Formats: sequence, structure tokens, C-alpha cells
Amino acid sequence: KAGVTQTPRYLIKTRGQQVTLSCSPISGHRSVSWYQQTPGQGLQFLFEYFSETQRNKGNFPGRFSGRQFSNSRSEMNVSTLELGDSALYLCASSVTGESTDTQYFGPGTRLTVL
Amino acid sequence: GDSVTQMEGPVTLSEEAFLTINCTYTATGYPSLFWYVQYPGEGLQLLLKATKADDKGSNKGFEATYRKETTSFHLEKGSVQVSDSAVYFCALSDRGFGNEKLTFGTGTRLTIIP
Repeated sequence: KAGVTQTPRYLIKTRGQQVTLSCSPISGHRSVSWYQQTPGQGLQFLFEYFSETQRNKGNFPGRFSGRQFSNSRSEMNVSTLELGDSALYLCASSVTGESTDTQYFGPGTRLTVL
Repeated sequence: GDSVTQMEGPVTLSEEAFLTINCTYTATGYPSLFWYVQYPGEGLQLLLKATKADDKGSNKGFEATYRKETTSFHLEKGSVQVSDSAVYFCALSDRGFGNEKLTFGTGTRLTIIP
């Protein structure tokens, strides 16, 4: 079974631009979560989607948004990019999103903001 | 809120040495506990998990036991190899609506010397 895929793998943007990242979950998984990884803050939860609905949201500004499609694929968008948004963005999928469920991670999208 | 405290790194060991990486947690409910590993340039891979007290997770020679009385989930391996060099993250996922997200420790960088 194919794993979680994320596109693109690398992105370079400038301040003020916006960016869209894509995530395709493992087949049959309905929950998709997004995490930001930085050297200073570590791994932080952004949001989680299940059946096209956002169920949970982390403590990030409104510039960070996401959505999920009927095939469970998910996108996240960051508007008005800031230097501090440079990070590895990881997507994870699980069958149900419940606490006992394993989240499987993709390879990440490395975003650099200049 | 939920939190995970992980042993500070980096940790450097000789091949075939015994490994322990300490992890303690704070949670409001009854969390599931996970160890993830991250190799350079990659996303997170699940190493092992435990979903209730006294459960032992194991994989690839690594073990961790869910200790509710000490709120700990220490990672151990009897004989490490060079290929075990990576960053290890302890994480929890709490029960209860909206709490299922993964909360991570800061990560422990492990280097194994031949």
C-alpha cells in the first residue's frame, strides 16, 4: 500500500506571497493532520480534518488554513508568508484520527521564505 | 495541557551499547503513547506504540513500557547499531474530543559510533 505523499517536496517563496501544500493520505485513511517542524519550536500541530471537516485546530494564526476533499486528500494554505514560516510541513494520515490510532507521516514539504 | 518531556540530546554511543532515552508525560486523560524516529531528510516513522497502562510496545529491538504510575514511556534497546543513528521523538495522543492530536517531545538526536 502506498504511503502518505506530499507535494511539492521543496518550495522557495518570498515574504508576502502565499503557498499551497498538498497531501495524499494512505488509501482508506479518512483523517489527515498537519504539523509544522522548526528547530526552535519543534513539532507543532496545525489542524486535523476528517470527512472534509476540520475537527481540531492548533494555536496558529488565521493565515494558516486547510481543507480536505471528498477523496480525503488535503491541502494547507499559508497566506502573507513571513520569514518565520520557514519550516518542514508534515502531513499525517490515520484511519479514524482517534487517540489509539497510528498516524503515518509523509516525507514533508520544506518551505523556505526569503 | 498535555506535554511530553524528553531526555536532552545529543546522545552518542558506541555500537552494541545499551540505549535508554527517557520520556515522561503529562496528560489530562488516558493517552496513547508513541515513539517516532526521523532519519535525515525524511518524515517521521512510527517505531512503536502503547495504548494503555502496562502495555509494552516493541519493534526492531526497541522496547518501551507504558508506566502510568510514573507517567513514563522510556525507550530502550539492548544493542544499538550504526543504522539506529537518527532523531527520536516521544509523543502522546490524549483521549477526548479535540485532544487526539499528537503532542511531541523535543526530540533526542542519537549518534552511534562504529
